[in-house]
Amino acid sequence: AQSVTQPDIHITVSEGASLELRCNYSYGATPYLFWYVQSPGQGLQLLLKYFSGDTLVQGIKGFEAEFKRSQSSFNLRKPSVHWSDAAEYFCAVGGHSWGKLQFGAGTQVVVTP
Amino acid sequence: GAVVSQHPSWVICKSGTSVKIECRSLDFQATTMFWYRQFPKQSLMLMATSNEGSKATYEQGVEKDKFLINHASLTLSTLTVTSAHPEDSSFYICSARETGTNEKLFFGSGTQLSVL
Repeated sequence: AQSVTQPDIHITVSEGASLELRCNYSYGATPYLFWYVQSPGQGLQLLLKYFSGDTLVQGIKGFEAEFKRSQSSFNLRKPSVHWSDAAEYFCAVGGHSWGKLQFGAGTQVVVTP
Repeated sequence: GAVVSQHPSWVICKSGTSVKIECRSLDFQATTMFWYRQFPKQSLMLMATSNEGSKATYEQGVEKDKFLINHASLTLSTLTVTSAHPEDSSFYICSARETGTNEKLFFGSGTQLSVL
């Protein structure tokens, strides 16, 4: 069975500092991996996705993520956070019919001045 | 870019009434759409896969008679919460996969349902 674990429920980071959000997955085959961001009361915006190829994926808003098969991880990073990055972040995994996604529990990011 | 419109954004209804939520792909065709539910401070849980012209596929534990899904066209799927109760209060989000591609999936902005 597929599953996604986001170990950090809540992260507080200072504006300008770096950010890393952890994501571990369990999947029987090569997964399709995604990071989404959700602002309060809003839908989801795709930050980036990994299907195959280069394991370092660049996304929007300065985010990147690295797929590490040996660690079953797909951690999200940003070198310097902005106050507008405060939101809930979800990691998700899907298979061949990847529109059907399994989401992690989410990580709430708070950005302090 | 592609947009998925979800309507209404929020709805308040009385217990026992039915509520219909629309998910519409605005500039692309979507043979397949997905419906998720999100309780406060929790993750999204897939409820069902909506297939144009055929019956929806429901996830385990989701009552198909309570959550009616209709996908009558390539751009519209509807979710009807029948005989709603307070425990059905939740944030419902749809997503649509562009037909003919395995890479384009777009989410709606969600519908907050509150059942009194």
